[in-house]
Amino acid sequence: QVQLQESGPGQVKPSETLSLTCTVSGGSVSSFYWSWFRQPPGKGLEWIGHIHHSGNTDSNPSLKSRVTTSVDTSQNQFSLKVTSVTAADTAVYYCARHRTTVGSGHDWFDPWGQGTLVTVSS
Amino acid sequence: DIQMTQSPSTLSASVGDRVTITCRASQSISGWLAWYQQKPGKAPKVLIYDASSLESGVPSRFSGSGSGTEFTLTISSLQPDDFATYYCLQYNSYWTFGQGTKVEIK
Repeated sequence: QVQLQESGPGQVKPSETLSLTCTVSGGSVSSFYWSWFRQPPGKGLEWIGHIHHSGNTDSNPSLKSRVTTSVDTSQNQFSLKVTSVTAADTAVYYCARHRTTVGSGHDWFDPWGQGTLVTVSS
Repeated sequence: DIQMTQSPSTLSASVGDRVTITCRASQSISGWLAWYQQKPGKAPKVLIYDASSLESGVPSRFSGSGSGTEFTLTISSLQPDDFATYYCLQYNSYWTFGQGTKVEIK
């Protein structure tokens, strides 16, 4: 079964770039769409952006100018960069695979990685 | 943007209780709604997708209903493992979560 694991620095300084990688095992990153989410401590979930191995990407309009997603099929990984971070970007970041009912064109998410806490602090 | 409003924010219940959580969309999302369960320190787990389809392996005490703008998640008989936070997710246009409902022990 497919498993996802996030990795990256646990602390980033204000104004710098947050970089995370999601490693996929038990399946290929060359299938499906893949997304990133975040959850500030004690708060709800926010979709950040998605990527397909074809290079098709999209992101939350509220974050679009600061978010870049990429995929590395040779490493079976996909990545997230968020630029110019502030304390408001402190959150647990999750990666997840898209799932869909055949032919619907509407995706939900499963499975998810375990999440990684990123703290923005000097 | 489609906004999702969940109610209640917190729910106190006892084992064996029937529990209902509601999610309202700011515009019609047809049936493109999922329900997730999240426990502290863990990733969300899908329970229901397409408003009423039960995810494989999820106990049948969980059920979902609704279409358009109003949806419900029902737990027919609350079990100790069900105390958690529940989120709805709309996937009609981009993706938006409700703010969550924490189910606490009464």
